[in-house]
Amino acid sequence: SQQGEEDPQALSIQEGENATMNCSYKTSINNLQWYRQNSGRGLVHLILIRSNEREKHSGRLRVTLDTSKKSSSLLITASRAADTASYFCATDARGGGTSYGKLTFGQGTILTVHP
Amino acid sequence: SQTIHQWPATLVQPVGSPLSLECTVEGTSNPNLYWYRQAAGRGLQLLFYSVGIGQISSEVPQNLSASRPQDRQFILSSKKLLLSDSGFYLCAWRRGGWVGTEAFFGQGTRLTVV
Repeated sequence: SQQGEEDPQALSIQEGENATMNCSYKTSINNLQWYRQNSGRGLVHLILIRSNEREKHSGRLRVTLDTSKKSSSLLITASRAADTASYFCATDARGGGTSYGKLTFGQGTILTVHP
Repeated sequence: SQTIHQWPATLVQPVGSPLSLECTVEGTSNPNLYWYRQAAGRGLQLLFYSVGIGQISSEVPQNLSASRPQDRQFILSSKKLLLSDSGFYLCAWRRGGWVGTEAFFGQGTRLTVV
């Protein structure tokens, strides 16, 4: 089942602006990950945040995690046209080996950055 | 370094024909392997996963099957395709002992059943 839900479904901004995408999930998690997908291509891992972390940075990416609200946000600062892509959150359910590393993906946010 | 190969990139098949999509991983051993399907503009649905040779688990009852004949080879098959099997199929792997690790995806196969 798709427990992650991204918000908004689509986001259109100008180059240089910041882009914020949100993700909600339903079950207890071990970690939450964000992936990027260029049109018609495979997914590329961006960043992983563990359930005991609240914020993480990687370059122009900032991810927050609020386990009490079962939500996460991805912020891309100073966006570029090359950031145009779909962005997905994915969760690793808490449960150890029985989950076998099955990531559950949200429906994604389509980000368009206009030059 | 690890790489994942998935082919073919695109495929157009008639209804009722068989299907075989192949995925291979290089540069790692005993990976966990996954097949996902993505409908247009939507998220990924996990179809099958495998934690070892010959070990296949199905997530969704459907017209498809999977096999893992070798440690780093994962095959998605169908005996008779349905129109509803159309979609974008993605293979992925994660390291054994997966907790806290990322997934690596192939470039996907766009399957159109006509």
